[in-house]
Amino acid sequence: RKEVEQDPGPFNVPEGATVAFNCTYSNSASQSFFWYRQDCRKEPKLLMSVYSSGNEDGRFTAQLNRASQYISLLIRDSKLSDSATYLCVVNRRGITGGGNKLTFGTGTQLKVEL
Amino acid sequence: GAVVSQHPSWVICKSGTSVKIECRSLDFQATTMFWYRQFPKQSLMLMATSNEGSKATYEQGVEKDKFLINHASLTLSTLTVTSAHPEDSSFYICSASGLAGGSTDTQYFGPGTRLTVL
Repeated sequence: RKEVEQDPGPFNVPEGATVAFNCTYSNSASQSFFWYRQDCRKEPKLLMSVYSSGNEDGRFTAQLNRASQYISLLIRDSKLSDSATYLCVVNRRGITGGGNKLTFGTGTQLKVEL
Repeated sequence: GAVVSQHPSWVICKSGTSVKIECRSLDFQATTMFWYRQFPKQSLMLMATSNEGSKATYEQGVEKDKFLINHASLTLSTLTVTSAHPEDSSFYICSASGLAGGSTDTQYFGPGTRLTVL
């Protein structure tokens, strides 16, 4: 089983739609959670961190359910510029105490269309 | 702030040659640098973690003699792909974490280096 699992998509949605992505992680020792955005042939860029209480940043809302080991991202009023791959990322301490390690999901591709 | 650069952006080389990729933190001191590899339509896979002044820690399945990592200063880490073969063609991305004004756990990513081995 992969450490971080996501539906690869693609999700094709019209401009203005609301779209949700889900992610599950297998390591219960995971400590921090993030959503990154990656454009084609570019490096990933941090979109937002995910907190247990849920958090919102403009049109983006992220939620974390530790009991179910489940993370979600909701995008409201989607724009053409939101088209990208959204990566679910989990951070856990290295087993040897050598610092944090990020584990990336394969990403969910979003295409926003006119 | 917290800018990470990589050089070169892309490289094409012949099979059997060695390629060095540089990763620099431009405006902060990176105590830890990470090297990732991403094949098409796959996730980023961590290759190794390096702390300044010490040997890199490699992930399982990554050959340390093939992927040489040097982290000699707090602003520079290099990855050398030795005797590159076509299967090493990939997108190599570094990230850096350190005292960049935020959490030391935050990783800042470089723009990546696309390696094509003919």
